[in-house]
Amino acid sequence: GAVVSQHPSRVICKSGTSVKIECRSLDFQATTMFWYRQFPKQSLMLMATSNEGSKATYEQGVEKDKFLINHASLTLSTLTVTSAHPEDSSFYICSANIDPGASHYGYTFGSGTRLTVV
Amino acid sequence: GNSVTQMEGPVTLSEEAFLTINCTYTATGYPSLFWYVQYPGEGLQLLLKATKADDKGSNKGFEATYRKETTSFHLEKGSVQVSDSAVYFCALSDPAGGYNKLIFGAGTRLAVHP
Repeated sequence: GAVVSQHPSRVICKSGTSVKIECRSLDFQATTMFWYRQFPKQSLMLMATSNEGSKATYEQGVEKDKFLINHASLTLSTLTVTSAHPEDSSFYICSANIDPGASHYGYTFGSGTRLTVV
Repeated sequence: GNSVTQMEGPVTLSEEAFLTINCTYTATGYPSLFWYVQYPGEGLQLLLKATKADDKGSNKGFEATYRKETTSFHLEKGSVQVSDSAVYFCALSDPAGGYNKLIFGAGTRLAVHP
């Protein structure tokens, strides 16, 4: 079946540095990918929707310059947390829509990235 | 706006016990409702879904019924197994913007002991 590979699974970085998280669709082309963030004991919050070859659509309250999303190919979307601070520590998870415009069956998720900023 | 509330965990059960994880939602329209499961070290997997009122989703012995009158979508299983230990997320679809965005509950961790 459709698999989304997300890397790294865990990352620890120093405050002020940038971290890149990759999300790859392994056996299908994903024209749309979604990035979520989850705080402890809270919901998965949609951060942005990335579309291959165009700018990402960010949810209200998400800083575009801090969370850079690139979807340069049909199999790869990246999320870069720039100038990371401890408050950016969180669990980030990506999701791909296998069949654009289709029903919710088309969503498959990566295994997530635990980011810790020290 | 749309939101999902599910019971806090962890839920700890013995094998073969009955499971209920409560989920209620707030929505302005007519969303579809989902349960996703996340096993340790893996991504989220769709467990079951229901697209309209009174629909019952079922999979792997789990069931949930879309109750519009109580705005609920409680997850149930008659006899849990150790292999059911995971985090369960209730979610609803939000078609706003045309991307069928998913809105999640906080997740409920289930631990099943032999």
